[in-house]
Amino acid sequence: AQTVTQSQPEMSVQEAETVTLSCTYDTSESDYYLFWYKQPPSRQMILVIRQEAYKQQNATENRFSVNFQKAAKSFSLKISDSQLGDAAMYFCAYRSALIQGAQKLVFGQGTRLTINP
Amino acid sequence: NAGVTQTPKFQVLKTGQSMTLQCAQDMNHEYMSWYRQDPGMGLRLIHYSVGAGITDQGEVPNGYNVSRSTTEDFPLRLLSAAPSQTSVYFCATQREVGSYEQYFGPGTRLTVT
Repeated sequence: AQTVTQSQPEMSVQEAETVTLSCTYDTSESDYYLFWYKQPPSRQMILVIRQEAYKQQNATENRFSVNFQKAAKSFSLKISDSQLGDAAMYFCAYRSALIQGAQKLVFGQGTRLTINP
Repeated sequence: NAGVTQTPKFQVLKTGQSMTLQCAQDMNHEYMSWYRQDPGMGLRLIHYSVGAGITDQGEVPNGYNVSRSTTEDFPLRLLSAAPSQTSVYFCATQREVGSYEQYFGPGTRLTVT
């Protein structure tokens, strides 16, 4: 079974600075997807960024980028120019590319990010 | 286009009571899932459905029942509520097996006393 681990329960950063959230995962599969979800106080789960395992290039979405290290099974999220609206719980998630596992997301424990003005 | 809706938003139950959490989607997505979110544990899959009439168990199915008679609706039934079922419940949909993104509802906070 796949597992996802986020070893930082809480992180804080000064507004406008850069912060990196860590995520490691364990799988025996070679093809899969990785995601970062943001959960603000409203509770809504919002997809921030995704990475396909077969792609070597790291995904980027505006101020959000990932460092995907497949051999190390590491998938960190970098937030540049942090804004107050980035304050939220962030979840790393894994999804198999196999049909029988394609609808199941495996989540990490979450990292609560605080932005200091 | 409402997306994924869940009702109720909040619910308090007594131990032993039963209830149904409702989930509806208007995006014609094939896949629907139920997750529960507990502090320090992330979200865990309870049950999922790959289409009308087809359901299967996820990681933590005990104490819950589901059915999928239509594409739009995927209710989650608590048969006899227990304090261990106190959690936030999320419904999620996915267009098809090749789709990347799951769309989440706003969640239901359930407290069992």
